[in-house]
Amino acid sequence: QKEVEQNSGPLSVPEGAIASLNCTYSDRGSQSFFWYRQYSGKSPELIMSIYSNGDKEDGRFTAQLNKASQYVSLLIRDSQPSDSATYLCAVLTGNQFYFGTGTSLTVIP
Amino acid sequence: NAGVTQTPKFQVLKTGQSMTLQCAQDMNHNSMYWYRQDPGMGLRLIYYSASEGTTDKGEVPNGYNVSRLNKREFSLRLESAAPSQTSVYFCASRNNSPLHFGNGTRLTVT
Repeated sequence: QKEVEQNSGPLSVPEGAIASLNCTYSDRGSQSFFWYRQYSGKSPELIMSIYSNGDKEDGRFTAQLNKASQYVSLLIRDSQPSDSATYLCAVLTGNQFYFGTGTSLTVIP
Repeated sequence: NAGVTQTPKFQVLKTGQSMTLQCAQDMNHNSMYWYRQDPGMGLRLIYYSASEGTTDKGEVPNGYNVSRLNKREFSLRLESAAPSQTSVYFCASRNNSPLHFGNGTRLTVT
């Protein structure tokens, strides 16, 4: 069983819409959760981290964590073409990070 | 402030050749990691070093060796490259924080 699961997409949304990305994880002992954005041919860059249940907002991005359901999500409001990328969910368990395979997002102008 | 620096950026090897991928960080991080990224497989941990002087295997260590040369540097060695090791390799570091990634090394083994 994979540690971290994401829908691979591709997910397409029109410019200005809300993009919703989802992630589930298998280890209840996981303590920290992250969303990375990766443009084609580039390295992953951190966009959000969340450590406790609930919502965390940063500009157009909102991360949501539900530890009981072992579920993490990322909402991108007012999506822009520059948001087109692959979004990686990462979970820290002990001293190791586990990554999902990523969701490809395309924002259509 | 360079962050995490990887060299080389690109490399082509023939099967059986050896090489070392270099990684250095200037953020005074204790932990360093090597990942490989393959299409449809996501990022998979090869080896990590929780602190200077220690290294541990990750999910896919076979065919690789590592050296934590000092706090700044963590190298990855392929002793006898195989086509299955064609991948993009990322080095990352952290200190009780999210991972910070280098720009990656794209390796092709023919």
